[in-house]
Amino acid sequence: GAVVSQHPSRVICKSGTSVKIECRSLDFQATTMFWYRQFPKQSLMLMATSNEGSKATYEQGVEKDKFLINHASLTLSTLTVTSAHPEDSSFYICSAQPGQGRLGGNTIYFGEGSWLTVV
Amino acid sequence: GQQLNQSPQSMFIQEGEDVSMNCTSSSIFNTWLWYKQEPGEGPVLLIALYKAGELTSNGRLTAQFGITRKDSFLNISASIPSDVGIYFCAGRSANTGKLIFGQGTTLQVKP
Repeated sequence: GAVVSQHPSRVICKSGTSVKIECRSLDFQATTMFWYRQFPKQSLMLMATSNEGSKATYEQGVEKDKFLINHASLTLSTLTVTSAHPEDSSFYICSAQPGQGRLGGNTIYFGEGSWLTVV
Repeated sequence: GQQLNQSPQSMFIQEGEDVSMNCTSSSIFNTWLWYKQEPGEGPVLLIALYKAGELTSNGRLTAQFGITRKDSFLNISASIPSDVGIYFCAGRSANTGKLIFGQGTTLQVKP
């Protein structure tokens, strides 16, 4: 079963509104989670690294004021797309790495992804 | 952003054939991961490699971590229709710790 869960799996929103996507680690605590964006038929592109209890680290070219990341607990990170526009429509995927324990420390697990459509 | 060089980009094979794909980079990685992604879903981990030279199998899948730490390959033996999907390699940079993805290999299997 999934060890990283995302919600919602699909969301449609109007242009100009904000959308929040949640990423939860189910079987482990994750001090670090990662957010990726994937356009159709393309690879995953890292957007930002979410750190529990501190500010996220954004990749070059990613607007931190537009893609707000909050890592409020060791099992939850949220990505909020603010003032969404049609070009923000994409597949957003989070991942997390267990620190210790039965799942292993170096393996990175991905959520199921969230389809965002901005109309 | 930075990506690994994954090849081939796509493959169309007959059921029962073996498949091989690889990823290379000019950078060193300390972890190599191979994922499979099906349409509309997140990547699912297939094999994880943590040491240079490591060879690991998962059923009909075999992957190796290159000795130079700059490459990895994935082999699928005796392919079946359910192997269809996009396969991604991912390397964890020894310098930055970030996970970087290859461009993906789209596999189609003809019954």
